[in-house]
This record gives sequence, C-alpha cells and structure tokens, in this order.
Amino acid sequence: GDSVTQMEGPVTLSEEAFLTINCTYTATGYPSLFWYVQYPGEGLQLLLKATKADDKGSNKGFEATYRKETTSFHLEKGSVQVSDSAVYFCALDNDYKLSFGAGTTVTVRA
Amino acid sequence: DTAVSQTPKYLVTQMGNDKSIKCEQNLGHDTMYWYKQDSKKFLKIMFSYNNKELIINETVPNRFSPKSPDKAHLNLHINSLELGDSAVYFCASSFPGSNEQFFGPGTRLTVL
Repeated sequence: GDSVTQMEGPVTLSEEAFLTINCTYTATGYPSLFWYVQYPGEGLQLLLKATKADDKGSNKGFEATYRKETTSFHLEKGSVQVSDSAVYFCALDNDYKLSFGAGTTVTVRA
Repeated sequence: DTAVSQTPKYLVTQMGNDKSIKCEQNLGHDTMYWYKQDSKKFLKIMFSYNNKELIINETVPNRFSPKSPDKAHLNLHINSLELGDSAVYFCASSFPGSNEQFFGPGTRLTVL
C-alpha cells in the first residue's frame, strides 16, 4: 500500500538557520504530494503541493520538489523564523485518500 | 466565518460512555473526512463521505459510526468508549475530484 516516511524529529534550530525535512514515499501510480503544517493547538493547513514529477511547490519561503527518480519530496527553507515552529507532515494523495508521514516537530529558537 | 468547525474542542469522558463529535463546513465542499491523530502525532484516515455517501471506511472498530445529515455536516459517534480512543480527531473537507483538503481545528478526546 501507499506510505510516506519522513525524517524523525524533533528538530531544534536557531532563527535564520536552514531547514530540511526529508520525505520519501511508496505509491502505485502517480500520486500528488503535499506538505501540511500544524501550528500548536490548531488543525492542519496545506503548506504546499506538487502534482507531477519535477514540479516545485512553494509557499511562505518553503519549497519542495517532486522527485520521481528518488521518490522524494524534501521540504526546505533557507532562513527559518520562530513563527515556523510547528509540526510538519508530508503526505501523498492517491485516489483522493491522503496518507501522512509521522510528522516532524520543528522548534525554532530566537 | 470559520471554514471547517468542530465541536466540542475538548471532550473528557469515562470509559464505556457514548459520545459524539460534530463537524460542519461552509466551503460548499461535497466530500468530508474524519482523521484520528494519536499521541505521537500520527494521522490516519478513518472515514470519508461524498455528498452524504460513505466512500472510504478504513479498518475502524464498529463502535465508531459516522453520520452525514447533509453534505455540510459529518458527525462522528463513538459507542462504548475505550482508553485507546483517546486522541485528537480532525474533520476535513474538499471538493470532489480535488486532492486539497481543509482541516478543522480538532477535538481532543480524553477517555478516563
């Protein structure tokens, strides 16, 4: 079945540091890939998505590129802020069913 | 003008009780979902309804019964609550044929 594996956390960074969260997937067909973010005490929000190979999703300074050859969708941000502290979920959509990774907790210190 | 709302936000109850969580969306979506997030933040889909019809039913105990009175509402009823049901339950919705889902704020259920 479909599955998503993402880097285990927690990750603690200083402000303005570079953030990478690795995500790889296993799926049949050609799934769409997503990153969702969950801020403390809130529901999930879509951060970015990519629907086909080599697509790059970007939002709020975050980027991720759909790499079919490595079945990966790593999330990156060049300079994090305290407000980026959250749990980040990689997910894939196959036939309109989302499968999530385990989530990576990111804490950014001032 | 909350897009996807859930009530209650917190629910604390005793083992063996029956409880319901309500979800409403005002986005005009036809498809709604229930997810369970465990204490390790792992998220798993439980159910999906499209225009009041059940389309996804994962391996969930039959103590859990979703009910969709109309396409804007998807409620989750849980019978005979168990300790292992303690989790955060998220409702979500989307347009049919769209893979972008909008999530509610979650309901934290604690079973004592």
